[in-house]
Amino acid sequence: SQQGEEDPQALSIQEGENATMNCSYKTSINNLQWYRQNSGRGLVHLILIRSNEREKHSGRLRVTLDTSKKSSSLLITASRAADTASYFCATDNRAGNMLTFGGGTRLMVKP
Amino acid sequence: DGGITQSPKYLFRKEGQNVTLSCEQNLNHDAMYWYRQDPGQGLRLIYYSQIVNDFQKGDIAEGYSVSREKKESFPLTVTSAQKNPTAFYLCASSAGPPDTQYFGPGTRLTVL
Repeated sequence: SQQGEEDPQALSIQEGENATMNCSYKTSINNLQWYRQNSGRGLVHLILIRSNEREKHSGRLRVTLDTSKKSSSLLITASRAADTASYFCATDNRAGNMLTFGGGTRLMVKP
Repeated sequence: DGGITQSPKYLFRKEGQNVTLSCEQNLNHDAMYWYRQDPGQGLRLIYYSQIVNDFQKGDIAEGYSVSREKKESFPLTVTSAQKNPTAFYLCASSAGPPDTQYFGPGTRLTVL
């Protein structure tokens, strides 16, 4: 079973709007990561947030982590058509030796 | 030009054949991983290796085999025992788990 589950599964917005994706997980983690995948390509790492951090920023990306609710959110501000991709959260296991990926959110940004 | 490469990009296999997917990295990473991705789905871990000459099964190792004879290379063999091998296969590496993983471009395997 998947450790992380993204919500929504698909999201369609207009260019310039903000996009918010959520990730819920089941067991304790050391860190949570967000990745992006363009269609038919490999994944690209976006941001890593550690379990003792609550919020992290990188350019137009803002990630929050609530370990009490076992959830994280990824906010993309002022979206662009080039942000169209699938976004995945990934959590490590207790031993910290592997990542488990969620099913992803497919984001479409319309120009 | 550092990175992680996979070959071939597309691979066609007849039923009953074994095929080997290549994964090479020049990032000097100790850890390497193989994932399977089905259409519209997330990634599932097949095998991972934290060090040369050592590897561990992931969630869906049945029907697959790997080797790690060199730090730079982590080939994946899809055997005839894998009943539904048509999928997109992604290789990744990291300095060490659970750090950031760097992904190759993927190999799309189709069984004819």
